[in-house]
This record gives sequence, structure tokens and C-alpha cells, in this order.
Amino acid sequence: NAGVTQTPKFRVLKTGQSMTLLCAQDMNHEYMYWYRQDPGMGLRLIHYSVGEGTTAKGEVPDGYNVSRLKKQNFLLGLESAAPSQTSVYFCASSLQGGDTEAFFGQGTRLTVV
Amino acid sequence: GNSVTQMEGPVTLSEEAFLTINCTYTATGYPSLFWYVQYPGEGLQLLLKATKADDKGSNKGFEATYRKETTSFHLEKGSVQVSDSAVYFCALSSGGSNYKLTFGKGTLLTVNP
Repeated sequence: NAGVTQTPKFRVLKTGQSMTLLCAQDMNHEYMYWYRQDPGMGLRLIHYSVGEGTTAKGEVPDGYNVSRLKKQNFLLGLESAAPSQTSVYFCASSLQGGDTEAFFGQGTRLTVV
Repeated sequence: GNSVTQMEGPVTLSEEAFLTINCTYTATGYPSLFWYVQYPGEGLQLLLKATKADDKGSNKGFEATYRKETTSFHLEKGSVQVSDSAVYFCALSSGGSNYKLTFGKGTLLTVNP
């Protein structure tokens, strides 16, 4: 039972490079989310999706794009990485919104130099 | 908008000590409240939740009671163990079709033998 799987787990980028983080869930969840975790800031929502083919902006969407072409996958893209995007990124999914439990991946540690 | 304030850490306790981590919230409507836990090197996982006023969530010896009059959801455990060392996040989700979790900044707990 894989749950939520994120790839890669670690990555170092140079400023201006691009990359895509992949999130896959095998629980048939409708909702998927991307958060970033920074020291002293808790978790902040970047983008989310309430179903296949839909995406929406969260609290801190600038510099990121997302796509949800398949229900089980949620991709987070950085078109031109900046040092301010150095963070730990977490993907999560839930069956629906509201008071349902969110399941998290193990995170991707991204460093932009 | 919604917000969650939890006590800043780090918190260091000896094994078998009593634990309290304070959490207060601001939200419109009737939010659901959660405690998530993050063990070292892992993603977040749900510890407990409460969906309406005066509900008590409990799991693994941890408890929290939804107090609407004080807008609080404090986490307690009567006797902590070394294995409880982790970061604890208080979170809320507004009622209805809301699809986002708003997190506090997290409290690092270290339990020494």
C-alpha cells in the first residue's frame, strides 16, 4: 500500500533551472495539494486540485505551476528556480475536502543555489 | 481569514512527564480541528481530529478537546515516551465544502530518557 509517493526525494538546482516534482497517489482520492515547509513558517499551500483536470492557487502560488492530467498524479513545476524556493515540498491527498484526513508524502528537499 | 496559533517550541520533557501543547484558532463558521504529527524524516500524519464543539479527539494516549468558547484545541498526553519526539501541527478546515487545511507553525517536542 504505497499511499502518496513523491519523486525525487532530494534535488539541487541552479538558479534559473527548471524542474518538475511528481506526486502519485493510489487511494483514488479526488483532492490533491502541494505544500512547502520552511523553518518557523509551518506548511503553506502552494496549489491544490479538487479533481482531475482542475487546479487552483493556494497561499503562495507565485513561481510555481501545476497540472492534474490524471486523477492519481499531481505535478508541481518550477519554470525558473530561485533561491527563495529552497524548501521541503510535501504533496498530500484526501478523499474529499472538509474534515476528511489528508495523507502526506515523505517530502522532497529542494535546494536552489 | 482562517489562522492557527500554537505555542512555540522547542519543548523538551523527560520521559513520563505530562505534555500540553496549546493551540488557538480564528475561523469563520464551524471549523474541523486536527493535530498532525511529523516524525523525523517523514511526512505528516493525522494524530487526531474533532469536528464539532465539545468533541474530544484521542489517539495513542493523546487527547484534545474542541473548545468553541475559547477557540482552542490544546493537545495533551499524560505520560510521554521517547518515541513521541516529533513536530506537532495544529490545523483547521472550515466547514462545508472547504478543501484546504490551515496549519500552525509546528511545535518540536523532544522527550529525553
